[in-house]
Amino acid sequence: AQKITQTQPGMFVQEKEAVTLDCTYDTSDPSYGLFWYKQPSSGEMIFLIYQGSYDQQNATEGRYSLNFQKARKSANLVISASQLGDSAMYFCAYYNFNKFYFGSGTKLNVKP
Amino acid sequence: DAGVTQSPTHLIKTRGQQVTLRCSPKSGHDTVSWYQQALGQGPQFIFQYYEEEERQRGNFPDRFSGHQFPNYSSELNVNALLLGDSALYLCASSLVIAGGLYNEQFFGPGTRLTVL
Repeated sequence: AQKITQTQPGMFVQEKEAVTLDCTYDTSDPSYGLFWYKQPSSGEMIFLIYQGSYDQQNATEGRYSLNFQKARKSANLVISASQLGDSAMYFCAYYNFNKFYFGSGTKLNVKP
Repeated sequence: DAGVTQSPTHLIKTRGQQVTLRCSPKSGHDTVSWYQQALGQGPQFIFQYYEEEERQRGNFPDRFSGHQFPNYSSELNVNALLLGDSALYLCASSLVIAGGLYNEQFFGPGTRLTVL
């Protein structure tokens, strides 16, 4: 099975600063998708951003961007201009063959 | 447009009992996946239903079973509950494009199951 690793159990960032959440994956599949989800304390998973393995450019969605380095098998999430509402758990997920594999998550705390 | 809905919100059971969780997918979605999320961990894939059949399954015992109805709604059944089954159970719906790598899942709010 594919393995997704998020090495930062918790992160702190000052409001309005940028923060990078790390994600690495282990796969021998030539094609796959990479996703980031946000999970507030309410529990619902919220889709943030997607990167396909064949995409040439890094994905961006508003304040979210994905730093995709295929050779290094990393897909780090960058949040620019952090807001207090960004405080939540963040999960990286690998998708292929109709299955998602999630990492263990990073808890982000944004300080005022 | 209603998103993914799940019921019940919370549930308390005792060991050995059976439980049924329900999920209604987002309008237009035909695929439902179920996940188990233990406290402090990422979601673990249980199985996926498409066209009323189980299409993919994660590493879960046969005590975990499911069903998808013609209207695409789904149920997750867990028999002979164990203490370790206590978790948040998430349902996600999607519309899979054949051969595609993009599969945006929309998650429901989850059902919090506590086994005593």
